[in-house]
Amino acid sequence: RKEVEQDPGPFNVPEGATVAFNCTYSNSASQSFFWYRQDCRKEPKLLMSVYSSGNEDGRFTAQLNRASQYISLLIRDSKLSDSATYLCVVILVGNQFYFGTGTSLTVIP
Amino acid sequence: EADIYQTPRYLVIGTGKKITLECSQTMGHDKMYWYQQDPGMELHLIHYSYGVNSTEKGDLSSESTVSRIRTEHFPLTLESARPSHTSQYLCASSVAWTGAGDTQYFGPGTRLTVL
Repeated sequence: RKEVEQDPGPFNVPEGATVAFNCTYSNSASQSFFWYRQDCRKEPKLLMSVYSSGNEDGRFTAQLNRASQYISLLIRDSKLSDSATYLCVVILVGNQFYFGTGTSLTVIP
Repeated sequence: EADIYQTPRYLVIGTGKKITLECSQTMGHDKMYWYQQDPGMELHLIHYSYGVNSTEKGDLSSESTVSRIRTEHFPLTLESARPSHTSQYLCASSVAWTGAGDTQYFGPGTRLTVL
């Protein structure tokens, strides 16, 4: 079983739609959680951290559910520029990083 | 913006050549990583380092080697390039022990094509 699992998609949504991605992790000792964005043929870039209390950055909301061992990313009012692959990252005790395989999002005009 | 750099950005080379991909960071991070990623596919960790004189193999077997003589520098070498090495190589760095908010930062990548 993989440490981190994501639905690869693709998610094709119209502009203005709200879309949510989930990412599950298998190790209950996981300590830190992040979402990255990766554009085609570019490097992954940090999008936002994920905290137990949830956090919001403009149209993006990230949440952590420790009981069910998943993190989520919600994008409201989707823009064409949101089209990318979204990677979740889980960090275990001992500074071990685990990247999800990524969820592909395409926002359609 | 992360202060991590990779050169060259693009490299096209013939089979059998020796190549070195450069990676350097100015953030003072102890831990550095090399990933291999094919288009549309997931990241695969091939090497990492905890600090100077530390190198470890990652999850994906690779014919490349790395060295870490200076904190800021983590070059990757292929002794004899083959077409199967064609891929994007991404370098990343992080602090040695992560706290809340600490994570990896990636360089822009080197896109390698071996003919």
